[in-house]
Amino acid sequence: SAVISQKPSRDICQRGTSLTIQCQVDSQVTMMFWYRQQPGQSLTLIATANQGSEATYESGFVIDKFPISRPNLTFSTLTVSNMSPEDSSIYLCSGGEAASTDTQYFGPGTRLTVL
Amino acid sequence: GEDVEQSLFLSVREGDSSVINCTYTDSSSTYLYWYKQEPGAGLQLLTYIFSNMDMKQDQRLTVLLNKKDKHLSLRIADTQTGDSAIYFCAEKTGGFKTIFGAGTRLFVKA
Repeated sequence: SAVISQKPSRDICQRGTSLTIQCQVDSQVTMMFWYRQQPGQSLTLIATANQGSEATYESGFVIDKFPISRPNLTFSTLTVSNMSPEDSSIYLCSGGEAASTDTQYFGPGTRLTVL
Repeated sequence: GEDVEQSLFLSVREGDSSVINCTYTDSSSTYLYWYKQEPGAGLQLLTYIFSNMDMKQDQRLTVLLNKKDKHLSLRIADTQTGDSAIYFCAEKTGGFKTIFGAGTRLFVKA
């Protein structure tokens, strides 16, 4: 299994600013995922990040709004750019492998409030 | 499209069994998972079942899979107050993407 940590755990930000969330895994993982979890809602996949290539974004999410870095096999960042109150949510980082036999492990999440 | 559905709330008394149900749409699902999320925490993998199995037991947890009906359930025996949490059903699709349900909030009354 993998242990995943995220920083910050929570933040309150002003409209129009940007926040970068860091995700650290205690072991190497091929794939890292970023999810958004709004209150009472399911997890929504934002993008999949593999080392050495650009992140793959899901429908409704774009790189300009959510730039992602994946410099190595244990670390990734997600930036929420030009924030608005609608971006208030929990952002979850996850790591796993590509094979269908592998499960995903999750970080504790970053609770973001945009005023 | 791919979709996972589950009821939003379940309330049980301490000591009773809890059964959380889930339906999914992707017939090419390979693995199905149950995750638990406690307040302020990330998702914790509870158990999983391979799609060619119909049952898996792990201590107080029993997972039942009806592949024909695309129905998955999680039974928690002797439910305790510490089991109060949100339980997410998830499926790993043939495209290696994991699709999550909206989560079932389990309330355990003492």
